[in-house]
Amino acid sequence: DARVTQTPRHKVTEMGQEVTMRCQPILGHNTVFWYRQTMMQGLELLAYFRNRAPLDDSGMPKDRFSAEMPDATLATLKIQPSEPRDSAVYFCASGFPDRGSVLPGELFFGEGSRLTVL
Amino acid sequence: AQKVTQAQTEISVVEKEDVTLDCVYETRDTTYYLFWYKQPPSGELVFLIRRNSFDEQNEISGRYSWNFQKSTSSFNFTITASQVVDSAVYFCAYSGNTGKLIFGQGTTLQVKP
Repeated sequence: DARVTQTPRHKVTEMGQEVTMRCQPILGHNTVFWYRQTMMQGLELLAYFRNRAPLDDSGMPKDRFSAEMPDATLATLKIQPSEPRDSAVYFCASGFPDRGSVLPGELFFGEGSRLTVL
Repeated sequence: AQKVTQAQTEISVVEKEDVTLDCVYETRDTTYYLFWYKQPPSGELVFLIRRNSFDEQNEISGRYSWNFQKSTSSFNFTITASQVVDSAVYFCAYSGNTGKLIFGQGTTLQVKP
């Protein structure tokens, strides 16, 4: 049963600490998205990768957030230093474009990482 | 820039009622996809449907149906004979030439017994 795996599922940390969230996309998928969900802003796109290359990270606060794909089986989202306003659920999703297109097919979402920054 | 609007923030119905969730999008892309996702109380995002911009045929899947109208830039979702298990947040989403998937703000549907 192929699925997107995110760790940790829950994280409580103090302001100023570094937080790293990890995502294992479904094997064979070449597109990875990071989203943040809050009550106020809904689902915001933070960054996305195709074939491990970052295509767009304009939704990400650059001063404290960074996203990488060290290899095809791992995507990371790091916050340093964390702030209370970063408290949210962070979703990773993976998929692959339709043949001959940049448009994604179905995106498969992980269960999310719930981050609380005190 | 592309935009997805779900004007209904919350909808409450009684079981067995039909309910329609509205979705309007803005784009200048000629080719794009529209999606609906369901987020139940457990929190995961569940894919429901994807529709290509060239295919305006309505689709029905069990109690679910979708009405895509390019002329009004709308992609509405109807649940027939709603059930308590349909209670969730429903998101409409768009993907165009950039490949980014952009979500609407979501509609919270509460189905009361």
